Amino acid sequence: NAGVTQTPKFQVLKTGQSMTLQCAQDMNHNSMYWYRQDPGMGLRLIYYSASEGTTDKGEVPNGYNVSRLNKREFSLRLESAAPSQTSVYFCASRNQGVVGMAFFGQGTRLTVV
Amino acid sequence: AQSVAQPEDQVNVAEGNPLTVKCTYSVSGNPYLFWYVQYPNRGLQFLLKYITGDNLVKGSYGFEAEFNKSQTSFHLKKPSALVSDSALYFCAVRDDGTASKLTFGTGTRLQVTL
Repeated sequence: NAGVTQTPKFQVLKTGQSMTLQCAQDMNHNSMYWYRQDPGMGLRLIYYSASEGTTDKGEVPNGYNVSRLNKREFSLRLESAAPSQTSVYFCASRNQGVVGMAFFGQGTRLTVV
Repeated sequence: AQSVAQPEDQVNVAEGNPLTVKCTYSVSGNPYLFWYVQYPNRGLQFLLKYITGDNLVKGSYGFEAEFNKSQTSFHLKKPSALVSDSALYFCAVRDDGTASKLTFGTGTRLQVTL
């Protein structure tokens, strides 16, 4: 019963490098999300995908791109990493319908030096 | 735009005492409200939700929350705190008109001591 799986768990990047954070869910959820968590700022929505084939910007999309590869997978890409993107990144998925609660992955701790 | 405020960065309480973690919200439509808990180095876990109906909702681990529409609040409560309740708690809201976007507060760290 995996739920939401994120890879990698930890990553250190140099400024300007690129990388993709992977997320997969096995609950047949339609909606998927990427959040970043920073001290004192809670969780801020980067991008979300309400259903397969659609993606939308959240609060803090600059510097990121996403791909909803299929219903299971939703990836987050940093094209040119910056120190301001040092954060903990969480992927989440949610049941279709207004009452569905979100399930979260374990997070990816990213450091950009 | 929807928003959530958690006015306390940290709440300290002695084991066995009641606890309250505060949350207020702002939405344009009817609110759907959630509480999540995060233990160190883990993702968020769902605790409870308010969608409609009874203003007092009960959730996991003995937690409950009271929805107050006039005060736009959704405070998390527990009658008797445990040391194991120490964690980071997040309140979240979704507007019934924005079915996908879930907005989180900044989080409140609960510290329960012996």
